[in-house]
Amino acid sequence: GESVGLHLPTLSVQEGDNSIINCAYSNSASDYFIWYKQESGKGPQFIIDIRSNMDKRQGQRVTVLLNKTVKHLSLQIAATQPGDSAVYFCAEIPLFGTASKLTFGTGTRLQVTL
Amino acid sequence: DTEVTQTPKHLVMGMTNKKSLKCEQHMGHRAMYWYKQKAKKPPELMFVYSYEKLSINESVPSRFSPECPNSSLLNLHLHALQPEDSALYLCASSRKEQGDYEQYFGPGTRLTVT
Repeated sequence: GESVGLHLPTLSVQEGDNSIINCAYSNSASDYFIWYKQESGKGPQFIIDIRSNMDKRQGQRVTVLLNKTVKHLSLQIAATQPGDSAVYFCAEIPLFGTASKLTFGTGTRLQVTL
Repeated sequence: DTEVTQTPKHLVMGMTNKKSLKCEQHMGHRAMYWYKQKAKKPPELMFVYSYEKLSINESVPSRFSPECPNSSLLNLHLHALQPEDSALYLCASSRKEQGDYEQYFGPGTRLTVT
């Protein structure tokens, strides 16, 4: 399944399928990007990050892709599991800004169906 | 210990009350943050403390007063709040403010102002 960011805030995926969550960022000067996962009743949890000099980074079952030309970031989750159900936020940090000033995207809810 | 703890989990207060939110981390992190998160919205930065000094105040109303008594503790004092201040208040920490982007979040305090 694939989300289109603001126009599809909820993504439903069957267990075992791959998920793609998209994020459009606005600041072309952003240098660093992070994906966070927020489960119900919990704070955001760091998943994976990527710097602007990279276009792809892989973690355990997750891959982040960065397309600076169109200011687009995506999170791919392989073999989606029920425990992946959560809201996913992308966050960006500008190159010449304060490192602590994360700007979060609007978020996408991922629902994993059995 | 890679945990940020927050107390209380839930708080209901009247508009004339004074209350405090507490946050604690024992990871040796020297930057600590307060965020406000409304339902179905991303976290919004309120304050940043770096080495126990206030580094960033995102134009937060004075009815919110942060305090960092030591490197492990962060408080948020609340006074004369409005119903629109009802939200999830998240605390986060990172090793330092500059050059270290991974922020560890606590579970949050769910605040209701009546």
